[in-house]
Amino acid sequence: AQTVTQSQPEMSVQEAETVTLSCTYDTSESDYYLFWYKQPPSRQMILVIRQEAYKQQNATENRFSVNFQKAAKSFSLKISDSQLGDAAMYFCAYKGGGATNKLIFGTGTLLAVQP
Amino acid sequence: SQTIHQWPATLVQPVGSPLSLECTVEGTSNPNLYWYRQAAGRGLQLLFYSIGIGQISSEVPQNLSASRPQDRQFILSSKKLLLSDSGFYLCARRKGFSENTEAFFGQGTRLTVV
Repeated sequence: AQTVTQSQPEMSVQEAETVTLSCTYDTSESDYYLFWYKQPPSRQMILVIRQEAYKQQNATENRFSVNFQKAAKSFSLKISDSQLGDAAMYFCAYKGGGATNKLIFGTGTLLAVQP
Repeated sequence: SQTIHQWPATLVQPVGSPLSLECTVEGTSNPNLYWYRQAAGRGLQLLFYSIGIGQISSEVPQNLSASRPQDRQFILSSKKLLLSDSGFYLCARRKGFSENTEAFFGQGTRLTVV
């Protein structure tokens, strides 16, 4: 069974600084998809970034980028120039390829941004 | 539009009472639908997912059940609630025809069992 592990329950970063959130996963599949979601205090889940496993290039979305290490099964999220609005719970998620439809989440990392 | 409607937003129920949470979605037909539970201080636990009407996959054995009577309707139920059923319940959808599409989430229902 696939699992997603986020080993940092809480992180803190100074405004304008850079922070990296860790995520590892376990799977026997070669084709899959990875996501980072943000959950602010409103509890609304928001997609931050996605990565297809078959792509070697790391995905980027403005200030957000990932470091995808397929062999190590690692998928970390880097937030550059952190802003107060980045404060939220961040979840790493895995979805298998093909007919697999399960979307599995990690336990989350609560990010605090200090002014 | 990928809007997801969940209700109620907040619910307080006594132990042993029944439960029915409803989720309806807009947008493309035949979506993949999911029910997640987020317990306090914990991540999202996948409870059920459905790839079509009447097709339910259960991930965690428990006293909850799910049904999909219509293409865009997904219902989470219980005959007798337990204290451990308290949590934040989220309904989500994905487009069924594209593998790498992300999930869209509803606003959630906060359930407190007393």
